Amino acid sequence: KNQVEQSPQSLIILEGKNCTLQCNYTVSPFSNLRWYKQDTGRGPVSLTIMTFSENTKSNGRYTATLDADTKQSSLHITASQLSDSASYICVVTAYRAGSYQLTFGKGTKLSVIP
Amino acid sequence: GAVVSQHPSWVICKSGTSVKIECRSLDFQATTMFWYRQFPKQSLMLMATSNEGSKATYEQGVEKDKFLINHASLTLSTLTVTSAHPEDSSFYICSAGGREGGYTFGSGTRLTVV
Repeated sequence: KNQVEQSPQSLIILEGKNCTLQCNYTVSPFSNLRWYKQDTGRGPVSLTIMTFSENTKSNGRYTATLDADTKQSSLHITASQLSDSASYICVVTAYRAGSYQLTFGKGTKLSVIP
Repeated sequence: GAVVSQHPSWVICKSGTSVKIECRSLDFQATTMFWYRQFPKQSLMLMATSNEGSKATYEQGVEKDKFLINHASLTLSTLTVTSAHPEDSSFYICSAGGREGGYTFGSGTRLTVV
């Protein structure tokens, strides 16, 4: 069964600090892994997407890593800002029989406080 | 980049009435459309997957006669909540996929049934 596990479930950090969110998956056959940011009451917005051959992908202060061997990914946020407060969702896509199947993690709720 | 427009962003309706939510891919052809619902503080839950021109595939536990999905064109999919009841109040989000396997989310629709 395809699964995506995210940790921690929630996190509170001080403004300006760095943090790292984790994503472990058991999705097969792997196509890509995306990190999304979802503000409360809004649809998810894509931060990064990585395929099997990519180890690192950056988007401003967001840096995602992927270890396809251990099936682990992380999202590192540098110099956090209050606006980073949101849920961060890891989504892994499998491609099977001509169709894409998405498996969602439950997300990490990040709160950045002054 | 890929843009998905979801409308309306919020709607309040009376119990027993029907509500239609539209999801449009503005600058790409969406071969696959996913519909999700999300309860407060919960992760996205896939309701159904639809491919252009074919019937939607519903997830277990989702009533296909209650949640009508139409994906008649490559740029438009609709979700109709029929005979809505207060327990249908939720946040509904669509996600449109192109042939290259990328996915873009709509901004979501907050449905409140009174």
